[in-house]
Amino acid sequence: DTGVSQNPRHKITKRGQNVTFRCDPISEHNRLYWYRQTLGQGPEFLTYFQNEAQLEKSRLLSDRFSAERPKGSFSTLEIQRTEQGDSAMYLCASSLALGSGLYNTEAFFGQGTRLTVV
Amino acid sequence: EDKVVQSPLSLVVHEGDTVTLNCSYEVTNFRSLLWYKQEKKAPTFLFMLTSSGIEKKSGRLSSILDKKELFSILNITATQTGDSAIYLCAVGGGGTSYGKLTFGQGTILTVHP
Repeated sequence: DTGVSQNPRHKITKRGQNVTFRCDPISEHNRLYWYRQTLGQGPEFLTYFQNEAQLEKSRLLSDRFSAERPKGSFSTLEIQRTEQGDSAMYLCASSLALGSGLYNTEAFFGQGTRLTVV
Repeated sequence: EDKVVQSPLSLVVHEGDTVTLNCSYEVTNFRSLLWYKQEKKAPTFLFMLTSSGIEKKSGRLSSILDKKELFSILNITATQTGDSAIYLCAVGGGGTSYGKLTFGQGTILTVHP
């Protein structure tokens, strides 16, 4: 399977615990995005990377959230001290940006990690 | 702040009907507009539009972009029950890094037999 892969698919955690999700993008893609989606809403942008550089981060992303892409391949999203409001589907996507990034191919999504905070 | 608005929010039709879904946007540094179909899991890519007035087609689905009026439409002809899904519109651009995709709320399409 050469698509975007996310692990785990489901995570149930107690409030206050830390969780970490992993995303493996399509291998030749240099851009990687994290989104959060709650019921009845479209995906909400969290952050994105070009190679290992984190280029943009949403103001909605509190300091409890951190994302890394250390070698420009897979990425991790960590949520510290989880709250019930963090319950959502966390989606990862990847795309190929050429040149200075002005041309960007379509983004392909993984299956998501559904987080439930109890 | 970048904004994408889709309408209608939900639509119920019968098999064989034709539907038109709307997407309007306000975004800095517009680069592209994308349509996705989301069933139970991840959004799956349908179309990417970058130029005004050029229709893209795939089977019964087609889409067109108007960069002057800042909107796009997605048409589905001869709908089937398998077309039931959430249709998401996203706009690429924004900020100085041209990378962010801003999504609309989605249109929930239900096709009855």
